[in-house]
Amino acid sequence: GENVEQHPSTLSVQEGDSAVIKCTYSDSASNYFPWYKQELGKRPQLIIDIRSNVGEKKDQRIAVTLNKTAKHFSLHITETQPEDSAVYFCAAWLTFGQGTILTVHP
Amino acid sequence: DAGVTQSPTHLIKTRGQHVTLRCSPISGHKSVSWYQQVLGQGPQFIFQYYEKEERGRGNFPDRFSARQFPNYSSELNVNALLLGDSALYLCASSLGLQGALSYGYTFGSGTRLTVV
Repeated sequence: GENVEQHPSTLSVQEGDSAVIKCTYSDSASNYFPWYKQELGKRPQLIIDIRSNVGEKKDQRIAVTLNKTAKHFSLHITETQPEDSAVYFCAAWLTFGQGTILTVHP
Repeated sequence: DAGVTQSPTHLIKTRGQHVTLRCSPISGHKSVSWYQQVLGQGPQFIFQYYEKEERGRGNFPDRFSARQFPNYSSELNVNALLLGDSALYLCASSLGLQGALSYGYTFGSGTRLTVV
């Protein structure tokens, strides 16, 4: 089955800095890669996704890149704000990574 | 439009008991998937159903079962509950399956199951 590895497990940045989270997957048949933000006690919320026929996608301060050959994809958050602090999960279709706790310090 | 709804929101059960969790997908969505999320970890995939058929199963024991009804709602059943089954159980719905036209999925708020 699919296996997704996510790094780092924790990430601490200063407000205004950029944050990058990286994931690798094992199943070359996977073709949908969403990213979720989960705040304490709440459901995961989709923040951006990318499909295998696209190499990069951007939505305001958030961007995702996908390298199908290397089987890895990354989330980039620019100009981070304290409200970006949360746990972020990557997924390859239905298989999730272990999560990254992002803390943005004012 | 209502989002994905799950019931109950919280549940306390005793070891050895059985539990049924329910999920109603977004109107028009035909696929439902179930996840177990233990505190501090990512959601772990349990089952996916599409058009009332099981289309995927994660690495969970046979004590876990599910089904999807003609109206696309779904139930997750867990028998012989163990303390380790305590978790947030999430349901997610999507229009279809991963394929040439991959569809995103939306999570419900989950059912918090505590086994004592």
